[in-house]
Amino acid sequence: NAGVTQTPKFQVLKTGQSMTLQCAQDMNHEYMSWYRQDPGMGLRLIHYSVGAGITDQGEVPNGYNVSRSTTEDFPLRLLSAAPSQTSVYFCASSDDSYTEAFFGQGTRLTVV
Amino acid sequence: AQSVTQPDIHITVSEGASLELRCNYSYGATPYLFWYVQSPGQGLQLLLKYFSGDTLVQGIKGFEAEFKRSQSSFNLRKPSVHWSDAAEYFCAVGARTGKLIFGQGTTLQVKP
Repeated sequence: NAGVTQTPKFQVLKTGQSMTLQCAQDMNHEYMSWYRQDPGMGLRLIHYSVGAGITDQGEVPNGYNVSRSTTEDFPLRLLSAAPSQTSVYFCASSDDSYTEAFFGQGTRLTVV
Repeated sequence: AQSVTQPDIHITVSEGASLELRCNYSYGATPYLFWYVQSPGQGLQLLLKYFSGDTLVQGIKGFEAEFKRSQSSFNLRKPSVHWSDAAEYFCAVGARTGKLIFGQGTTLQVKP
């Protein structure tokens, strides 16, 4: 059972580079979200989607873009990487507003 | 504003001892509450959840939590801790559209 798959697991970027973090789920979930995890701050919501073609900003959206062209995929784009974006990124999906969210294994991103 | 507070950043208990991790929330409507656990280098796994009904909920791995509306709390408990319980624990409240608002996390260390 694949669940929520994130790629890559690790990435090092130089300041100013762009990249896309991939997230795919095979559970036909409508709701998908991106979080970043930083020490002592828990997980903070970057962007979320309630279905294909619908996205919205979370708590910390600056510097990130998302799109949702299919139910399965929810990529996160860093337009111009900054050291402040060094973090662990988690993608999550759920089939309802208030049911369990399933998380991917995370992407550890370092911006130098 | 919606928020979750975990007052204890780090807790150390002896193996076999009881455990209580504290969680306080601020949410305008009826809260949907979750506890997640994260082992080092891993994603998040759901321990238990509260939506309605019985205020004492049972979860996996022998954990339970009690919802106390008067105290805005949802504390996690375990009668006897095992070394494998060492991890980081997150309390979260579920908002609309599949979003989760997380506390800062509590790191549990288990002494042999």
